[in-house]
Amino acid sequence: SQTIHQWPATLVQPVGSPLSLECTVEGTSNPNLYWYRQAAGRGLQLLFYSVGIGQISSEVPQNLSASRPQDRQFILSSKKLLLSDSGFYLCAWNGGYEQYFGPGTRLTVT
Amino acid sequence: EDQVTQSPEALRLQEGESSSLNCSYTVSGLRGLFWYRQDPGKGPEFLFTLYSAGEEKEKERLKATLTKKESFLHITAPKPEDSATYLCAVQARASKIIFGSGTRLSIRP
Repeated sequence: SQTIHQWPATLVQPVGSPLSLECTVEGTSNPNLYWYRQAAGRGLQLLFYSVGIGQISSEVPQNLSASRPQDRQFILSSKKLLLSDSGFYLCAWNGGYEQYFGPGTRLTVT
Repeated sequence: EDQVTQSPEALRLQEGESSSLNCSYTVSGLRGLFWYRQDPGKGPEFLFTLYSAGEEKEKERLKATLTKKESFLHITAPKPEDSATYLCAVQARASKIIFGSGTRLSIRP
């Protein structure tokens, strides 16, 4: 069966510091991968999606970037965090129509 | 513009009190409508996919239905463990899925 991992689970970072969040998927090959951000009490905002290694599509302009160095690995990065980057970050994959989500990373920028 | 609207934003029920959550959508070329359950501090858990008007899916106390304009998530005789945020999402063109803002459901014992 397929599983999706995210780490770290929680992160507290100062403004201006770099960021790296990692997502890996097991049990499937060539999945579509997604990064979402969820603000408190809000819906999910799609940040990036990838249909293959090195292929990244950005949905919203921001100071975040994404990379897919391996088939089942998706990384979300920033060179300098802003206070507005705080939120709950979710990675997801889909092989068919529905998406399956990881456990999420709670990021607090102080 | 593709849009998904969920109502109500929050719903408090007594244990055993049945009710429905609504998801209204306007998209061009619906490929699928999805329901998720999300517990606090966790990722959304997939519940159902509905593909065409008239389709219904059931899982324990939950039943999802779909029309051409909206979907309902019916909850029958809920228990406190059904308390969660329920998210609706639709997939239209290409690979983009649009999520609603969710309904926070609270079941009092």
